[in-house]
Amino acid sequence: KAGVTQTPRYLIKTRGQQVTLSCSPISGHRSVSWYQQTPGQGLQFLFEYFSETQRNKGNFPGRFSGRQFSNSRSEMNVSTLELGDSALYLCASSLNPWTSGGNEQYFGPGTRLTVT
Amino acid sequence: GENVEQHPSTLSVQEGDSAVIKCTYSDSASNYFPWYKQELGKRPQLIIDIRSNVGEKKDQRIAVTLNKTAKHFSLHITETQPEDSAVYFCAASRNQFYFGTGTSLTVIP
Repeated sequence: KAGVTQTPRYLIKTRGQQVTLSCSPISGHRSVSWYQQTPGQGLQFLFEYFSETQRNKGNFPGRFSGRQFSNSRSEMNVSTLELGDSALYLCASSLNPWTSGGNEQYFGPGTRLTVT
Repeated sequence: GENVEQHPSTLSVQEGDSAVIKCTYSDSASNYFPWYKQELGKRPQLIIDIRSNVGEKKDQRIAVTLNKTAKHFSLHITETQPEDSAVYFCAASRNQFYFGTGTSLTVIP
């Protein structure tokens, strides 16, 4: 099976702009989670989608939002970008983290976002 | 919510020695504990995991142990090799994943 893919891989934006990142999960996986990775803060959970519904949300401001489509592909959007949003954004997919045996999570390669 | 602490933050070992990384968690409802390896510039890769109904799991040179009573779990790497050098993350999950802050392992040839 193909792994988790993310586009674009690299992105440079200026403060105040908005950005949309895309994630395609492993075929058959219905859950997609998004994480922000920075050197100082490690892996911070943004949100998780399952069957087009957001089931969990981390402690991020409302500028960060996401959605999931019927084919399980997911997008996350960041509006009004700030310098501190510069990070590696990782998505991960799993069958269904709410069931035993379905919660093995596999990561995509990430999108490196730089805000100038 | 869950809180996962990971120690040490950096670890250097001689090639062939063993490495141990420890994590503690706070939520007794967490039932799944994966470990990820992240090489520089690459995605985190799942290397081993353990569920709450198991005390120990081994896969070749790596093993994970879980102590539910004390709420801690550990990664053991034996006969370390230079290619084991990476950042290792632990996580605890009931449905949402909570990650430790990572351990940078360096294996010195």
